[in-house]
Amino acid sequence: DAKTTQPTSMDCAEGRAANLPCNHSTISGNEYVYWYRQIHSQGPQYIIHGLKNNETNEMASLIITEDRKSSTLILPHATLRDTAVYYCIVRPHYGGSQGNLIFGKGTKLSVKP
Amino acid sequence: DGGITQSPKYLFRKEGQNVTLSCEQNLNHDAMYWYRQDPGQGLRLIYYSQIVNDFQKGDIAEGYSVSREKKESFPLTVTSAQKNPTAFYLCASRGLTDSAEAFFGQGTRLTVV
Repeated sequence: DAKTTQPTSMDCAEGRAANLPCNHSTISGNEYVYWYRQIHSQGPQYIIHGLKNNETNEMASLIITEDRKSSTLILPHATLRDTAVYYCIVRPHYGGSQGNLIFGKGTKLSVKP
Repeated sequence: DGGITQSPKYLFRKEGQNVTLSCEQNLNHDAMYWYRQDPGQGLRLIYYSQIVNDFQKGDIAEGYSVSREKKESFPLTVTSAQKNPTAFYLCASRGLTDSAEAFFGQGTRLTVV
């Protein structure tokens, strides 16, 4: 089973920041938080990951709480093309079978004009 | 270009026939995965392989078979024993270094009539 809890759906106005929350209260010390997104009928796309520090790349920012029990993915200026299902996943940072990605149902983000 | 390729994008088969889905990657990744996705649901792991000539069952392996004769290729056979094979099938690969991200193909939509 997935070790994360996400809202089923969210709306965001185009041009505004989209903040997607994720609860992972049982996360272990060696587990990273990963975010992927899936645009309709396509394969999931990697967005960002982090361990305990906040991370930023060209797509998004990841804010992880100090106790690491929750995180927020931030899309700073959402566009219509950001409409997708966003998956938050926790997994150990090393390889092997424990590094398999286990997907929940994710959050369906709808960006509206 | 480096990437992971699934073929075909759409596949139709008659009930009772076996069908093989192709997945090829030129990313030199050790690990490869097959997932199944049903409408409105997350991805469920069917099989995975971390090395040539070795593979492991995932959560829903019944009715499926795989092979890993080459590092680049991980074909999935949907057998007649799979009771509800109509679904969207996704292949992924990743390296086995720490925190490596996974790359997904664009998926094969299988319809059994």
